[in-house]
Amino acid sequence: GAVVSQHPSRVICKSGTSVKIECRSLDFQATTMFWYRQFPKQSLMLMATSNEGSKATYEQGVEKDKFLINHASLTLSTLTVTSAHPEDSSFYICSASGTLNTEAFFGQGTRLTVV
Amino acid sequence: QKEVEQNSGPLSVPEGAIASLNCTYSDRGSQSFFWYRQYSGKSPELIMSIYSNGDKEDGRFTAQLNKASQYVSLLIRDSQPSDSATYLCAVNGHPDSWGKLQFGAGTQVVVTP
Repeated sequence: GAVVSQHPSRVICKSGTSVKIECRSLDFQATTMFWYRQFPKQSLMLMATSNEGSKATYEQGVEKDKFLINHASLTLSTLTVTSAHPEDSSFYICSASGTLNTEAFFGQGTRLTVV
Repeated sequence: QKEVEQNSGPLSVPEGAIASLNCTYSDRGSQSFFWYRQYSGKSPELIMSIYSNGDKEDGRFTAQLNKASQYVSLLIRDSQPSDSATYLCAVNGHPDSWGKLQFGAGTQVVVTP
């Protein structure tokens, strides 16, 4: 299967700072990338969909000014959590699909802890 | 509200037995269906995908889809302790946006030696 690399795998930041998470497709061109969030003991919740070269589409209830998504190339999307607070602590997971894919491939996830 | 429903478990299965997992979905227009395995603290790993009614087998795993009943299941034969994980059912209702998935809450499976 296709490989999606997500970094960092873990990050601890202070409240009020911003954190950037990268999602890269290593062996295919990802026309679409998805960002999910997963709280403990809960399922994955889709936050936003990003298409290369265009603005991300956010799901209802997700603050677009807080969770900045950039998908500037066919192999890289970034999620920036701005002015992070402890309630933003969660497991963030990206996935990517290309024009020839009928499924999406997941990155390894990023465990964000805001202290 | 489009929903994907699963029993949360835990489902306790003796080693070597068959684990049976169920999932129902509310969007009748859903096109594709997936089962993911997720170990604690890890990202989901795709086990099976199924797109048409009937059974699909891959090794010890069999997925079953019944679109009329809006039901998809996963059977794990000869369960092993390494199968202990949370199994997520995911549904895609958007053929123009492959990968935009709606997940169930997951079923925790515990395989006991």
